[in-house]
Amino acid sequence: GENVEQHPSTLSVQEGDSAVIKCTYSDSASNYFPWYKQELGKGPQLIIDIRSNVGEKKDQRIAVTLNKTAKHFSLHITETQPEDSAVYFCAATSGSQGNLIFGKGTKLSVKP
Amino acid sequence: DAGITQSPRHKVTETGTPVTLRCHQTENHRYMYWYRQDPGHGLRLIHYSYGVKDTDKGEVSDGYSVSRSKTEDFLLTLESATSSQTSVYFCASSSGQGVGGELFFGEGSRLTVL
Repeated sequence: GENVEQHPSTLSVQEGDSAVIKCTYSDSASNYFPWYKQELGKGPQLIIDIRSNVGEKKDQRIAVTLNKTAKHFSLHITETQPEDSAVYFCAATSGSQGNLIFGKGTKLSVKP
Repeated sequence: DAGITQSPRHKVTETGTPVTLRCHQTENHRYMYWYRQDPGHGLRLIHYSYGVKDTDKGEVSDGYSVSRSKTEDFLLTLESATSSQTSVYFCASSSGQGVGGELFFGEGSRLTVL
């Protein structure tokens, strides 16, 4: 089945700097790669996603890139703000049902 | 935001007792999921449902059962709780699977098994 690896597990940046989180996946049939943000005490929320026929997608300060050949995708956050502090999860679809398999998460801390 | 609620939000129980967690959604979503979240493991899929009375196993289904008698409700049951099932449980729903199937999560149920 699908295996999703996510790095780093923790990331600390200064406000205004950029943050990058990377994920790799194992199932070459995976075709959908969302990113979820989880704030303390809450459930995860979708922040951006990318489909396998697209190499890059951007939404204001966040962007996601996908390299299908290498089977890895990344989340880029520019001009980080304290409210970006949260746990971020990458995910990839698995199997014929298309259920999401999540990475183990990255705790991002943005220091003012 | 999708209306998805979980109950109870917190529960402490003893080893060997049965536990049922309830998930209720008001979006008429076809698909519902139960995940568990543990430090160092992220979110792992326990069971999912693709319609009323239609359920299937996820990555970590041993020791858990589910039922879905109505579109809006998805129950997770631990027949005989063990300490290894101490975790935060998240329910989610979606209108589709895979591409285009954004998951809407509840706020979680923290279960402690003593």
